[in-house]
Amino acid sequence: EAEVAQSPRYKITEKSQAVAFWCDPISGHATLYWYRQILGQGPELLVQFQDESVVDDSQLPKDRFSAERLKGVDSTLKIQPAELGDSAMYLCASSSIFPSSYNEQFFGPGTRLTVL
Amino acid sequence: AQSVTQLGSHVSVSEGALVLLRCNYSSSVPPYLFWYVQYPNQGLQLLLKYTSAATLVKGINGFEAEFKKSETSFHLTKPSAHMSDAAEYFCAVSDPNTGNQFYFGTGTSLTVIP
Repeated sequence: EAEVAQSPRYKITEKSQAVAFWCDPISGHATLYWYRQILGQGPELLVQFQDESVVDDSQLPKDRFSAERLKGVDSTLKIQPAELGDSAMYLCASSSIFPSSYNEQFFGPGTRLTVL
Repeated sequence: AQSVTQLGSHVSVSEGALVLLRCNYSSSVPPYLFWYVQYPNQGLQLLLKYTSAATLVKGINGFEAEFKKSETSFHLTKPSAHMSDAAEYFCAVSDPNTGNQFYFGTGTSLTVIP
């Protein structure tokens, strides 16, 4: 069964360091999402891609966060410099553009980031 | 704009008892509605979805949910709780007309007591 892949699964870093997360969506899924999930809360959208283009990055803290999907397939989310408040689970999801998918999003296992 | 409210951040039930997790939505258009489950340190897994077909939706692991437009609700139920149902549950809403952005509730943590 096709799955969304993410790496690393866990990342511990010190504040002011740079971190990067990688996501490989389900093959053929044109839409890719990055979410941040703070402990005890629901996921919040950071950025949405349609192929290689950013559709929505209104909630992305652009002074320290960046995201790219250069070839419209896999994607990287970067934080530089990391702050204590960035400790969270970072989830990647993908979806098909076809109407039969009913907007369903498929989630990866996430990357748990701890900033010390 | 869409939003979701999940009443009860923590729910405890005895094994074998009815599970009821509440979700109310706010949407300016007929929405799509979803329930996801999340186990510790894992991603979200789809339980079921409402996409304007049948109002009673059956999902995986014996869960079902009923879309009630008059009450703007989409509560999740399971007749008999199992120990393996202990997890975090999230309700989400999306607008079918504007793309795929999801709005998640804050989640309900389900504890199953043996």
